[in-house]
Amino acid sequence: DQQVKQNSPSLSVQEGRISILNCDYTNSMFDYFLWYKKYPAEGPTFLISISSIKDKNEDGRFTVFLNKSAKHLSLHIVPSQPGDSAVYFCAARGIQGAQKLVFGQGTRLTINP
Amino acid sequence: DTEVTQTPKHLVMGMTNKKSLKCEQHMGHRAMYWYKQKAKKPPELMFVYSYEKLSINESVPSRFSPECPNSSLLNLHLHALQPEDSALYLCASSQAVFGRPSEQFFGPGTRLTVL
Repeated sequence: DQQVKQNSPSLSVQEGRISILNCDYTNSMFDYFLWYKKYPAEGPTFLISISSIKDKNEDGRFTVFLNKSAKHLSLHIVPSQPGDSAVYFCAARGIQGAQKLVFGQGTRLTINP
Repeated sequence: DTEVTQTPKHLVMGMTNKKSLKCEQHMGHRAMYWYKQKAKKPPELMFVYSYEKLSINESVPSRFSPECPNSSLLNLHLHALQPEDSALYLCASSQAVFGRPSEQFFGPGTRLTVL
């Protein structure tokens, strides 16, 4: 049972345009969501997070939107840069499993010059 | 220092060998984690230590044995592994206050190959 889903395995965006990565979840007990970026042969790097009591969080070029009724979150990157090319993982934390993150399958983002 | 370090970067071992993976952080975090990541898959949680005590074991086979000697160090002892255990092993740490969300910081991982 996959509780966190990233249905797009890959996404290609032109440099300077907006990248939108999507994530859906099924467990209504999740209260905290995170996005991680991963380059090959490196560990995931934390990007941005959002609590379930908010619907938007912004940090520079990165904005995460949360729609609790739809159990959907998205990561917007504006403007997209070549260095943004990486695999992006969505992760969620449940109240009961406070230290346990559940990861989505990841989306490979490619920024084309 | 916001870094989690892991050694070795690469490890090749036979099925009868005993080896250990090491993880270190100096951010004062009191929760430390081991994850396993296979190619094209998300990280899967194996173990969580909170205040040097094992708090979560995700039904990991006993051939993997974690150890937390102190608040900065986390080891994963490996014995009698199988070829299907070949993967990237990631260590992470976070502030350990239950109920208050905090991000996990990951190390670069150890690429393990079991022959």
